[in-house]
Amino acid sequence: GIQVEQSPPDLILQEGANSTLRCNFSDSVNNLQWFHQNPWGQLINLFYIPSGTKQNGRLSATTVATERYSLLYSSSSQTTDSGVYFCAVEKSYNTDKLIFGTGTRLQVFP
Amino acid sequence: EPEVTQTPSHQVTQMGQEVILRCVPISNHLYFYWYRQILGQKVEFLVSFYNNEISEKSEIFDDQFSVERPDGSNFTLKIRSTKLEDSAMYFCASSEALPGGFDNSPLHFGNGTRLTVT
Repeated sequence: GIQVEQSPPDLILQEGANSTLRCNFSDSVNNLQWFHQNPWGQLINLFYIPSGTKQNGRLSATTVATERYSLLYSSSSQTTDSGVYFCAVEKSYNTDKLIFGTGTRLQVFP
Repeated sequence: EPEVTQTPSHQVTQMGQEVILRCVPISNHLYFYWYRQILGQKVEFLVSFYNNEISEKSEIFDDQFSVERPDGSNFTLKIRSTKLEDSAMYFCASSEALPGGFDNSPLHFGNGTRLTVT
C-alpha cells in the first residue's frame, strides 16, 4: 500500500520562529489534507491541497503532486501551534479512505 | 461553522462489554467515516458509509464492529465484546462528497471519543 512519511518527527521551536514540515508519499494521490491535532486530541483540518499552493494566515501549504511531496510552512509560531501535524492522502478515486502519515510533533516554547 | 459532534467524549468499559459511540455528522454531508487512533500512534481508517451502507472497510473492521445510521442525523459505531486492544480515540468524520472526487470535499472530523477498556 501507499506509504506516507513525515519529517521531522519532532520539532522544538521558540515562539516567533518559522518552520517547514514535509510529507512524502510513495504513489500518486487524488487528495491530500493537512491536519493539526491539538494537545486535547482534536483533529483540525488545515488544508485540502491535492496540488498547488494555498495560504491561510500564518500557514501555507504546497503540494507538488508529480514529485510526491507536500510542505506545510508556518511563520511566527505561537505556543498554541503546539501539537501533532498530520498529512493524509487518498490514493485514487476508487477508495474512500485517507491514509495518515506518521506525524510531526511540534512544541513551541515562549 | 457547522461541525461534527461526538458523544460521549470519554467512555470507560469493562472487557467483554458492548459499547456504542455516537456521532452527528454535518447536516448536508453524504459520506461518513470512522477512524481510530491508538495512543501515540497514527490515525487509522476503519470504515466509510454512504447511502445507508458500508462502502469500504479496513482489515481492522471485523465482525466485532458494526455501523448504523438509525435516523436522519446520527451515525453510530458499535463494538461488541470489547478487548483491551480496542482502547483508542475513535474519530467520526464526514464529507460532502468523496474526498478524492472531482469536488473540493475535505473530511471534517469530530473531537473524538476516548474509549478505555479495562
